[in-house]
Amino acid sequence: GAVVSQHPSWVICKSGTSVKIECRSLDFQATTMFWYRQFPKQSLMLMATSNEGSKATYEQGVEKDKFLINHASLTLSTLTVTSAHPEDSSFYICSARLITQYFGPGTRLTVL
Amino acid sequence: QQPVQSPQAVILREGEDAVINCSSSKALYSVHWYRQKHGEAPVFLMILLKGGEQKGHEKISASFNEKKQQSSLYLTASQLSYSGTYFCGTEPSSSNTGKLIFGQGTTLQVKP
Repeated sequence: GAVVSQHPSWVICKSGTSVKIECRSLDFQATTMFWYRQFPKQSLMLMATSNEGSKATYEQGVEKDKFLINHASLTLSTLTVTSAHPEDSSFYICSARLITQYFGPGTRLTVL
Repeated sequence: QQPVQSPQAVILREGEDAVINCSSSKALYSVHWYRQKHGEAPVFLMILLKGGEQKGHEKISASFNEKKQQSSLYLTASQLSYSGTYFCGTEPSSSNTGKLIFGQGTTLQVKP
């Protein structure tokens, strides 16, 4: 139980384009999901908290107009990286809350 | 504020034991332990709640001392599969959002 999927698992895009990443809880409902960013050999950096039916809460320093989050249902949250630039290249991981946090497999974004 | 994990890295032989510590400057409601292998998402190991409890699963156990705001993860008779980076995620007592603040990670390498 408590399985979270993420799609796509990797994506390569050109600078200036937008990329959408989906996070789904497969066998439970999650009113709260989280989006993290992780650089090589570093810890998980929380970007935002996604709440179903309401606006996401962004951590300090995270541009909400650049990282658009939508939590459309109790099993789906999406992160859209708008006008991506090479410095946005990273490993993005979502998690869904069910007492603890269960993580998706992550999406590796490479912006050329 | 990010909890501090120690040690930063440890190398073991199969069958040896290890302890990973997690210390916070904030009062904690819970501590969550995860293991992450390279290129993969963190996998949930266990959660410890306020109340000073100790938990175990086979050869991996953990304790939580809420007065000291510390938690320790115990790995006994380590196996090759235990290799990876271990993160503690702390939930402050003042928080009701489910947000976790992760430590910087402890890299564990188990050699044959």
